[in-house]
Amino acid sequence: GDSVTQMEGPVTLSEEAFLTINCTYTATGYPSLFWYVQYPGEGLQLLLKATKADDKGSNKGFEATYRKETTSFHLEKGSVQVSDSAVYFCALSALSGANNLFFGTGTRLTVIP
Amino acid sequence: DGGITQSPKYLFRKEGQNVTLSCEQNLNHDAMYWYRQDPGQGLRLIYYSQIVNDFQKGDIAEGYSVSREKKESFPLTVTSAQKNPTAFYLCASSIGTGLRGEQYFGPGTRLTVT
Repeated sequence: GDSVTQMEGPVTLSEEAFLTINCTYTATGYPSLFWYVQYPGEGLQLLLKATKADDKGSNKGFEATYRKETTSFHLEKGSVQVSDSAVYFCALSALSGANNLFFGTGTRLTVIP
Repeated sequence: DGGITQSPKYLFRKEGQNVTLSCEQNLNHDAMYWYRQDPGQGLRLIYYSQIVNDFQKGDIAEGYSVSREKKESFPLTVTSAQKNPTAFYLCASSIGTGLRGEQYFGPGTRLTVT
């Protein structure tokens, strides 16, 4: 079945460091891929998405590229800020059937000044 | 402002009691979802509804029940049959199948059962 494997955390970085959070997926066909972010005590917010191979999603300085050959969708940011501290979830949505999301286990990022 | 509201933010119950979590949306979305979040396990789908008066079980529906009598509302009841009810519960909605995967989440309800 469809699934997402996400880099385990927690991840602690200094401000302005480079961030990579790895995400790989297993799915039939070509799913849509997403990164959601959860700030402390809140629900999830869509951060970025990609709907087909080689698409690059980007938002707020974060980027992720849909790599079909490696079934990956790694999240990157060139210079993290303290305000980026949150839990990041990789997710996929199959092309057919109900619009259900399959989530990874989440990666907690803490950025220290 | 459009969005999803969940109430209350924190809920405490004694073991053996049923409890209902509220979820309301004013986004005019057709589909609504309930997820459970436990530490280190990500989100797991409990129930979802694509249209009014219809809903389907997700991956972990045992011990839960839902109703969808109105488009805006999708309450979740945690019954006494749910063995480990203490968790963070998230409600979400989406337009439908038109924009796959774009779900909008409420702020969540943290349920503690003792």
